[in-house]
Amino acid sequence: NAGVTQTPKFRILKIGQSMTLQCAQDMNHNYMYWYRQDPGMGLKLIYYSVGAGITDKGEVPNGYNVSRSTTEDFPLRLELAAPSQTSVYFCASSSRLAGEAYEQYFGPGTRLTVT
Amino acid sequence: GQSLEQPSEVTAVEGAIVQINCTYQTSGFYGLSWYQQHDGGAPTFLSYNALDGLEETGRFSSFLSRSDSYGYLLLQELQMKDSASYFCAVREEDKIIFGKGTRLHILP
Repeated sequence: NAGVTQTPKFRILKIGQSMTLQCAQDMNHNYMYWYRQDPGMGLKLIYYSVGAGITDKGEVPNGYNVSRSTTEDFPLRLELAAPSQTSVYFCASSSRLAGEAYEQYFGPGTRLTVT
Repeated sequence: GQSLEQPSEVTAVEGAIVQINCTYQTSGFYGLSWYQQHDGGAPTFLSYNALDGLEETGRFSSFLSRSDSYGYLLLQELQMKDSASYFCAVREEDKIIFGKGTRLHILP
């Protein structure tokens, strides 16, 4: 199992450009999440999904969009990038079977700089 | 809304015991998790408490008191490799919200 994979690892964007951060998991998890982490800070939930075709907003959804057409993939779209979106982006997934500890498995992160 | 409070930094000596506290305010509470993150790395899961009491996993233990909206992570026999940031996270049904993290410094 590869677990949770994210691409790209690093990216520099100019203000106003758009891009898609890719996230995929091969553990057949229903739940997937996008977080951003600013330097020295905690993780802020951007969007999450409880299954294919279902997405919901987290704490800081403005400026982002997501889709969940398959169980495996959960891409995050940035439209009109702004310097405030400079951050490290983590994708995570979890299983919600009864009796499980609701452990989230995180990808390695995408380091995004907007200049 | 929701809020989680944990100390920003804690310092302890190698071989000692340290406790990292977390208090939370949330509209719907299902459980409290703890994650470890080394510099430049991704968070990794340590523990989850849904019910009151102590959960032990090796050198790490986690405690929850739902009536006090409080939990803690206890690390025993500290090793230099435990130097990292530790996050508490509240599960609100389908959402998982993280605190700002506690940076643990370990002195030799």
